[in-house]
Amino acid sequence: QVQLVESGGGLVKPGGSLRLSCAASGFTFSDYYMSWIRQTPGKGLEWVSYISSNGFSRYYADSVKGRFTISRDNAKNSLYLQMNSLRAEDTAVYYCARDPNYGELDYWGQGTLVTVSS
Amino acid sequence: QSVLTQPPSASGTPGQKITISCSGSSSNIGSNYVHWYQQLPGTAPKLLIYRNNQRPSEVPDRFSGSKSGTSASLAISGLRSEDEANYYCAGWDDSLSGPLFGGGTKLTVL
Repeated sequence: QVQLVESGGGLVKPGGSLRLSCAASGFTFSDYYMSWIRQTPGKGLEWVSYISSNGFSRYYADSVKGRFTISRDNAKNSLYLQMNSLRAEDTAVYYCARDPNYGELDYWGQGTLVTVSS
Repeated sequence: QSVLTQPPSASGTPGQKITISCSGSSSNIGSNYVHWYQQLPGTAPKLLIYRNNQRPSEVPDRFSGSKSGTSASLAISGLRSEDEANYYCAGWDDSLSGPLFGGGTKLTVL
């Protein structure tokens, strides 16, 4: 069965960095686009970034452009999100999700909490 | 960034039918598929309806979706207590070059 497991969240100070990982299993990872989506506490969902199946195309929400970098290692069935220059407003639960077709997020991980606070 | 517009809350009694609306624009709902996600308390979102009106095999046929122009709707018939959750619409946005989500609707089963 399809499984996505995020890790790497935690408490970080403003201006700091964090790297999230998403381990995929149960499907051919290299066949799918993948996305990161975040959810602020008590609030709604916000798309953060997505990456093509081969990793050559990457897109970002304006709110994270220039600070976050999405990447993947198809040999390791893993997706990553490098987050730099973190701000308080980046505090959220971060989900990775499989994206078979333009935002059709058919499987989600359980999420990892990132807290940016001094 | 803007969001798709949903009512913040909805409610119904067991057995009733309710609908949740989702309003967008020509750059998202008007030109792309709409998807719906269900988020039960304390869990990750789950795909409920995809490509406007398609249900994953494990989703009961009590759930249905429709789209017209720049708006979409999710209908839930035969309401059950376990349907209490947050529901989000989403669609690809051509201006954003990424998916855009609605603000979510919290469904309460009275």
